[in-house]
Amino acid sequence: DIQMTQSPSSLSASVGDRVTITCRASQSISSYLNWYQQKPGKAPKLLIYSASSLQSGVPSRFSGSGSGTDFTLTISSLRPEDFATYYCQQSYSPPFTFGQGTKLEIK
Amino acid sequence: EVQLLESGGGLVQPGGSLRLSCAASGFTFSSYAMSWVRQAPGKGLEWVSVISGSGGSTYYADSVKGRFTISRDNSKNTMYLQMNSLRAEDTAVYYCAKESQIAVAGLFDCWGQGTLVTVSS
Repeated sequence: DIQMTQSPSSLSASVGDRVTITCRASQSISSYLNWYQQKPGKAPKLLIYSASSLQSGVPSRFSGSGSGTDFTLTISSLRPEDFATYYCQQSYSPPFTFGQGTKLEIK
Repeated sequence: EVQLLESGGGLVQPGGSLRLSCAASGFTFSSYAMSWVRQAPGKGLEWVSVISGSGGSTYYADSVKGRFTISRDNSKNTMYLQMNSLRAEDTAVYYCAKESQIAVAGLFDCWGQGTLVTVSS
């Protein structure tokens, strides 16, 4: 199975900050990497697919990059509604594993 | 508008069984693969199982293989998860998720609100 490792596990930042979350796969997954946002008590929401494609309706301050084994999610200027937990997930092959999550908190 | 509504969760004893349902609306159900993803209390997301649009292809996480069975009834726009031999570690919120295409792809573009399964004596 492909293991997905995110860093950091938690992150404190302020409104307006630029933040980057990293995801590493245990083997090459090409660009089969997706990012989800989850707020407490809510279902996850797809943000980025195929490593760098923005899902319809998602603000352009979110961006993704990477290929192979190393990927990043960047939020260019944090807004209050962005404080949530973020998960990467590989769609290269089943089982479709998720990273452990990165909790983004208000500083 | 795409809507996914899970049902069937509840409290069950270890070793027991439960069947979850996911009723879909707002899209052509048979044209999309569907998955189950779960989240234990306070933990991260764990993919459980997927079924193609036709129902001909299915995959399972090792943690549920041989105990859970995914199925769908395209005439009823509904997906199911039959869960047998339940264990305490199966306690979680179970989400159904719509995939982005008819074949299994692992890209979940719409999620239901989840149903809680609690396995406890």
